[in-house]
Order: sequence, then structure tokens, then C-alpha cells
Amino acid sequence: ETGVTQTPRHLVMGMTNKKSLKCEQHLGHNAMYWYKQSAKKPLELMFVYSLEERVENNSVPSRFSPECPNSSHLFLHLHTLQPEDSALYLCASSQPPLGGNEQFFGPGTRLTVL
Amino acid sequence: GQQLNQSPQSMFIQEGEDVSMNCTSSSIFNTWLWYKQDPGEGPVLLIALYKAGELTSNGRLTAQFGITRKDSFLNISASIPSDVGIYFCAGRIDNYGQNFVFGPGTRLSVLP
Repeated sequence: ETGVTQTPRHLVMGMTNKKSLKCEQHLGHNAMYWYKQSAKKPLELMFVYSLEERVENNSVPSRFSPECPNSSHLFLHLHTLQPEDSALYLCASSQPPLGGNEQFFGPGTRLTVL
Repeated sequence: GQQLNQSPQSMFIQEGEDVSMNCTSSSIFNTWLWYKQDPGEGPVLLIALYKAGELTSNGRLTAQFGITRKDSFLNISASIPSDVGIYFCAGRIDNYGQNFVFGPGTRLSVLP
């Protein structure tokens, strides 16, 4: 496996379900990100982890809970979501501060909340 | 907060034509990135720019970091069908921060 991988690629869940999204990066980076991409809106940064510590939380509702057990893995735990949370959830990684800190994205998880 | 605007929002061009799109902001940025996103996939980095005035090419793609540091443009020469997708710009204000602001994207369609 190379780059940034995400599983599952598609997820349909009810509002009372609990599920988790997984991201894994094989690039040796030490920063990882969760973004939400809704139709016709710019990417919204949700969480940033650097060296496994959360450094940014952009006022994301508590029904989204991130977890970063090590520098290669990032999870997003979902609980009692709303239909408006349906979106493409993208994971990215980067190597700050050197290397320009360009972010490399995974393919995303298409989430539908019924 | 910082916001990026991209124009045009969408464009339809004939195969073989050149394309130009831009990204503007009222804020100054120290890094500009251009990404392309295919349907059902994550954005893929095309070009990164780090200095005002910098002009960088990647095959048929050329991007420039505006002198004012408030804008950037992306040109695609001799478009082909696989250029179809959404092109995003992203800017970073500080040199070592991890947060980028993304534009809303330009959707490109290439007609055969």
C-alpha cells in the first residue's frame, strides 16, 4: 500500500448508529487531518493531529470524535449523526515543517446518514 | 476569517484549448497549492508555490504565485479529456503552520 488509504470508501448509517472511519498513511508523515467536503462548499478542516497530539479542533460537534493512536493511523468515530453530516470525509497527511508541508489526501469515505 | 475565491466556478472547453483559472483572496498567503479532484476520489496535489512571483510548471500545467501574495493562477495547455475534474486552490498564511484554507473549486469539463 502506498500513499493515504481510507476505509470504508462508502458508509450508510442511521442516526442512532455508531461507526468509525479509518485512515492510514504510508508516507512517513507526522501530521494527519480530517476534512469534510460537502457539495458546492470548500473543504472544511475538522481536526489536525501533529505527532499524535490534537492541535486544531475547528468547533466540530462532539458527535465526531477523532483518535490518533500513532503517526500512521487516524480514526474518526461517529455517533448519533444528523442527515446534514452526509458528506465526503477526507483524510490527509503532511510532514511539517520541512518539505513544504503539502497535504496528501486519501480517496475519502462517502458518508450517508439516513 | 481567511477566504479564497476561485473563478470561474465552472467552464466548458473544447479538447485542445488552453485553460486559465485563478484564485484570489483579501489576505496574504505564503504558500499556494493547486489540487485536482476526480469524481469519487480525494484531491491530488498538482503544483506547490512558495515564493511571490514564482512560476512553476508540471507538464502541461503552469501555476504562478502572485506578486501581491493575494492571488495565484493555474494554466492548462492543450487540454485533453482526462483534465476533467474540479481544481482547488489552497493557501497557507504562516510558513510552518499546518492549516490550509481551500477555495470552492473550478469545475472543468472538456468536450471532445
